[in-house]
Amino acid sequence: DTEVTQTPKHLVMGMTNKKSLKCEQHMGHRAMYWYKQKAKKPPELMFVYSYEKLSINESVPSRFSPECPNSSLLNLHLHALQPEDSALYLCASSQATTGYRVGYTFGSGTRLTVV
Amino acid sequence: ILNVEQSPQSLHVQEGDSTNFTCSFPSSNFYALHWYRWETAKSPEALFVMTLNGDEKKKGRISATLNTKEGYSYLYIKGSQPEDSATYLCARSPTGANNLFFGTGTRLTVIP
Repeated sequence: DTEVTQTPKHLVMGMTNKKSLKCEQHMGHRAMYWYKQKAKKPPELMFVYSYEKLSINESVPSRFSPECPNSSLLNLHLHALQPEDSALYLCASSQATTGYRVGYTFGSGTRLTVV
Repeated sequence: ILNVEQSPQSLHVQEGDSTNFTCSFPSSNFYALHWYRWETAKSPEALFVMTLNGDEKKKGRISATLNTKEGYSYLYIKGSQPEDSATYLCARSPTGANNLFFGTGTRLTVIP
């Protein structure tokens, strides 16, 4: 299995809702990432997990709460989002120590709309 | 250059034409430069990872070069085909930690 699977592919949520995005990989990668991409902008790094521990938080608001319950699964819990949080959320994975020189494997993203 | 910049933003070429585009990045604190190919509604696909000044990589009709001293990388596509239509993203690793910083991409459309 050489894929990163993200669910759901599309999500519409209200500003008072709580929802979660899910990302799964079975390649034995021990680093997993959340990126956010808004239209015509580059993907922006949000969080990095390395060996199931949060290693990088790029000053992301607390209404986004990541979780890595095991080495194959990465969640992003969403609560009290704003319409400006509408974006494509991409998950990626890589080898933990060599990912920067080997490359990442990306999922196809979750298109989130906050109404 | 503070960020990763890509040019042009978009490009239309005829089938069979060869083309190239540029990724510019800060030349300080360089560890790696990645190229990804991203088709609409699909996952970004890794094309190349380059780490050494002067690196050249090739994958079929696509090749890339790297100049870390002046802070740029070129991606070349020889004999473009409609299936090459995609957004081509480059990304820089500035620290050797797992944090990639992306450019906005070059959107290539190959006209049959």
